Amino acid sequence: DAKTTQPNSMESNEEEPVHLPCNHSTISGTDYIHWYRQLPSQGPEYVIHGLTSNVNNRMASLAIAEDRKSSTLILHRATLRDAAVYYCILVKGSSNTGKLIFGQGTTLQVKP
Amino acid sequence: EAGVTQFPSHSVIEKGQTVTLRCDPISGHDNLYWYRRVMGKEIKFLLHFVKESKQDESGMPNNRFLAERTGGTYSTLKVQPAELEDSGVYFCASSQELVGVEQYFGPGTRLTVT
Repeated sequence: DAKTTQPNSMESNEEEPVHLPCNHSTISGTDYIHWYRQLPSQGPEYVIHGLTSNVNNRMASLAIAEDRKSSTLILHRATLRDAAVYYCILVKGSSNTGKLIFGQGTTLQVKP
Repeated sequence: EAGVTQFPSHSVIEKGQTVTLRCDPISGHDNLYWYRRVMGKEIKFLLHFVKESKQDESGMPNNRFLAERTGGTYSTLKVQPAELEDSGVYFCASSQELVGVEQYFGPGTRLTVT
């Protein structure tokens, strides 16, 4: 399985944009890029996913590099509730399980 | 629509005892996953059901763990006998498709083995 690399931690101020980077230099052509987050004492929560094109939803935006070797999760206006561990996960399009391989993720701290 | 539910939310048992965790996926989701996080470690995949069949159980730690999904609805994960290293949070997730879709996670069951 292709590996992802994320910074261990990041800080942001409330109501400012946050850009969470993820490197996946060994990504294959059929790998989907998924982002999940885990708030304290809760199960992981889906944020967004994409394949080649940038994606937007009500929670965030996903910017995918042209060579797909990196991506950035963008929270447009961070709130205190966005403090969580964010995971960048690759899922093979040809997978017969769809299982998620979690790394250590990026712990996002949001300051008021 | 009800989300993924797990029962119990917490369980404290002694080493050597048996514990059964239950997961109710979102109705209509054929895919059901079990994951766990042990203290200080990353969330790890345990196994995956498609309906009532085990599609991938490569993450099951050993034969003390038994997962079932009778009738392709809810699933149980039994640990027998429990060991100290089994302590952690067990998450269940479900999805409609295999890839290109989100997995919906339950709140987890915190298992403590003393």
